[in-house]
Formats: sequence, structure tokens, C-alpha cells
Amino acid sequence: ELKVEQNPLFLSMQEGKNYTIYCNYSTTSDRLYWYRQDPGKSLESLFVLLSNGAVKQEGRLMASLDTKARLSTLHITAAVHDLSATYFCAVVRGSGANNLFFGTGTRLTVIP
Amino acid sequence: NAGVMQNPRHLVRRRGQEARLRCSPMKGHSHVYWYRQLPEEGLKFMVYLQKENIIDESGMPKERFSAEFPKEGPSILRIQQVVRGDSAAYFCASSPGLAGTNEQFFGPGTRLTVL
Repeated sequence: ELKVEQNPLFLSMQEGKNYTIYCNYSTTSDRLYWYRQDPGKSLESLFVLLSNGAVKQEGRLMASLDTKARLSTLHITAAVHDLSATYFCAVVRGSGANNLFFGTGTRLTVIP
Repeated sequence: NAGVMQNPRHLVRRRGQEARLRCSPMKGHSHVYWYRQLPEEGLKFMVYLQKENIIDESGMPKERFSAEFPKEGPSILRIQQVVRGDSAAYFCASSPGLAGTNEQFFGPGTRLTVL
């Protein structure tokens, strides 16, 4: 069974600090996604990573993918309160598949 | 361009009743996915459909749950004889089904509460 693990599960950080969320997955995948979810809300797509070494940045968030290590990172630079949310990574199984396997999520709280 | 629509947003049922959840995909999208999210957990895949076809239902419980995506109208996730353990948020996503990212866009979810 495909397993997707994130760490940490909970992250409390002060505004202005940097931190990284890690996402490990157990089998080959050709696509990795990062989503944000606010409490009681739906999922907002942040990044889609397709190839080894892919790096994407949007504002204070930067995502990278190492397919050989089966690892993706979501780096937060100079956190602000508005980034408080739960972040999920998700992968598809193998190549050509479509259904997503989600990680457990990382609940981020940015303290003013 | 409207996003993925789901209704109802909140649904309360008593044990033993039926729950019907509806999902209208984004315009131009022909692929629909249903996921379930239990409190404090990630989303779990349930079923993947294209128009009039179930492509992958490996995540669906064997009993009481069914899904369809008819030629006309929304996709429907049906739960018969609901139990308390069915209480969860049910999210629908759609994608264009094209090669490349085939990114899935999520609806607002239906929060089912079983009393």
C-alpha cells in the first residue's frame, strides 16, 4: 500500500522564522501535489511537482521534489500569520494513475 | 468559470437513513473523484469516475456506498443506512483528464453528521 508521511504533524512558529515541512512517500510516483486547507474549508492547490529536482516558489512558500529519495519539502520563509493552515502533500501511484494518496497533514500555526 | 460545486454543504441524518451527496465538476472537466476526510485526518480516496463509468472504486467500502456520474447531471455519492462512523467531510474533485499535471480541483465539501 502506498504510504505518504509528513512531518512534523504540528508546527508552531513565530512570525519571521523559517521552517521546512517534509513529505516522504513509499513508492514510485510521477506527480506530487501540495495543498493548503483552512479550518472547515476545502483544499487549495499550491504546487504541482512533476520531475526530479523540480522546484517551485510562490510568495513565502517553496516546494521541491527528489524522486530518488521519494521526498518533497515545503519551505516557509519569514512566516506570517496568514500562513496558518494545514498543509497536505499528495501523490499518485506510479505513472498515469489519477487518484491521490494524501499525507497526514501538517498543522501550521504562526504566532504573531 | 465556476469551480467544483457540491451540495448540500451540510447534511444531518439519523442512523439508518440514506445520504445523497452531489458534485458538479468544473466546466470542461470530465473526471470526478470522491474523497473522505475524517476529523483531524488527511483525505482518503474513495472512487474515480468518468461520465457513465466507474474507473477505480478501490477506496469505496464494499457495502452501503455507491457512486455514479451519469451522462447528464452531477455525480452522486450515495450512502445507504448511514452509521455514526460515516460522519465525515466528503470532498469531490474534478480534473480535465488531460496528459500532464491532470491537477484536481476540489469542491467545498459536504459535511455529513450522523446522529
